[in-house]
Amino acid sequence: SQQGEEDPQALSIQEGENATMNCSYKTSINNLQWYRQNSGRGLVHLILIRSNEREKHSGRLRVTLDTSKKSSSLLITASRAADTASYFCATDGRGGGSEKLVFGKGTKLTVNP
Amino acid sequence: KAGVTQTPRYLIKTRGQQVTLSCSPISGHRSVSWYQQTPGQGLQFLFEYFSETQRNKGNFPGRFSGRQFSNSRSEMNVSTLELGDSALYLCASSGLGVNEQFFGPGTRLTVL
Repeated sequence: SQQGEEDPQALSIQEGENATMNCSYKTSINNLQWYRQNSGRGLVHLILIRSNEREKHSGRLRVTLDTSKKSSSLLITASRAADTASYFCATDGRGGGSEKLVFGKGTKLTVNP
Repeated sequence: KAGVTQTPRYLIKTRGQQVTLSCSPISGHRSVSWYQQTPGQGLQFLFEYFSETQRNKGNFPGRFSGRQFSNSRSEMNVSTLELGDSALYLCASSGLGVNEQFFGPGTRLTVL
């Protein structure tokens, strides 16, 4: 089952601009993670935010979590061409089901030089 | 530490055949998960192994199976291949009590 849903599906910006991606999910979670995938390769873990946290920073990344709205956002500041990739949120469900990580369909980010 | 490795990287098979994919986790990681990624369905969880036991299973038919060896290496097998099995198969490993998963580069399977 696809729990996370990213928005927008695609985003195109200029280098130096900020990029914001959103993720919504359906059930209670223990934590939410964001991953990056470059063109058909493996995923790279970016950041994890626990259900009792509201905001977390890592370098140029800022993640927020609103458990009451079941949503999260990923902000990439001062974007670079190398940030061009697909970004996925993944939830570690607390509810029923046998899946460990449930991924959204991703946001495809293009940063134009 | 070496990362997660997957072999082979590319594979072409025909309908009805079977295939075995291999994954070597990061040294010390005992949990290995498998995911299927397709343009239509996105990333879907297949199964997770921990200490040679299947701990979680996704919603896939019995044609998809896996196993884990005592050295934590894992294999997944798909029998009676269908065109819809064409996908990128990703393996990920994680350490004990850690939610972050480390992904391999994937095996691109094409079924003709």
